Amino acid sequence: EVQLVESGGGLIQPGGSLRLSCAASGFTVSSNYMSWVRQAPGKGLEWVSVIYSGGSTYYADSVKGRFTISRDNSKNTLYLQMNSLRAEDTAVYYCARLVGAPPHFDYWGQGTLVTVSS
Amino acid sequence: QSALTQPASVSGSPGQSITISCTGTSSDVGSYNLVSWYQQHPGKAPKLMIYEVSKRPSGVSNRFSGSKSGNTASLTISGLQAEDEADYYCCSYAGSSTFWVFGGGTKLTVL
Repeated sequence: EVQLVESGGGLIQPGGSLRLSCAASGFTVSSNYMSWVRQAPGKGLEWVSVIYSGGSTYYADSVKGRFTISRDNSKNTLYLQMNSLRAEDTAVYYCARLVGAPPHFDYWGQGTLVTVSS
Repeated sequence: QSALTQPASVSGSPGQSITISCTGTSSDVGSYNLVSWYQQHPGKAPKLMIYEVSKRPSGVSNRFSGSKSGNTASLTISGLQAEDEADYYCCSYAGSSTFWVFGGGTKLTVL
């Protein structure tokens, strides 16, 4: 059974850093495209970043240069390093697996809340 | 402001059919047959309901169907049931610089 479990969220001051983790089971992270998607309070979903199976990474303009997506193959875990956090980064962050060619999101985690506030 | 436009809410009675629209542009919905739909119950993870405009994943009821015309995609739910009450989001691939865009979500109420 495919499962994705996010962790690492919390309250952080503007300008601070946080690292989110997404532990996967039931499949191999490194063999799939993996993504982070966020949802600000009361708002819709927003794509944040993707890492392809070959290792290429891409980011939304809103986080480019501040966020870094990575994975640890030995731990079958996806990460999102978030630096220079802003109030507008406040959101629930979901990790999601992409499948298919062309790819679409199929499984999502339950999300972890990041609150950026002083 | 979400990239794709959805109605904020729709409602229907049990047994009825409803349709949720998702309007994008010629750069996303209109250019690719890569629209997907997600159901999200409060506090839960989004669940894939439709992909590539009209394909249903294994295990999703055939009461859910998708279509597209021009820059607008649609999700139709027939034979509404109480458990269909949830938020629904559309998503479209938007090319190799924007990647994926989502709608703002539609709250479905089953009366």
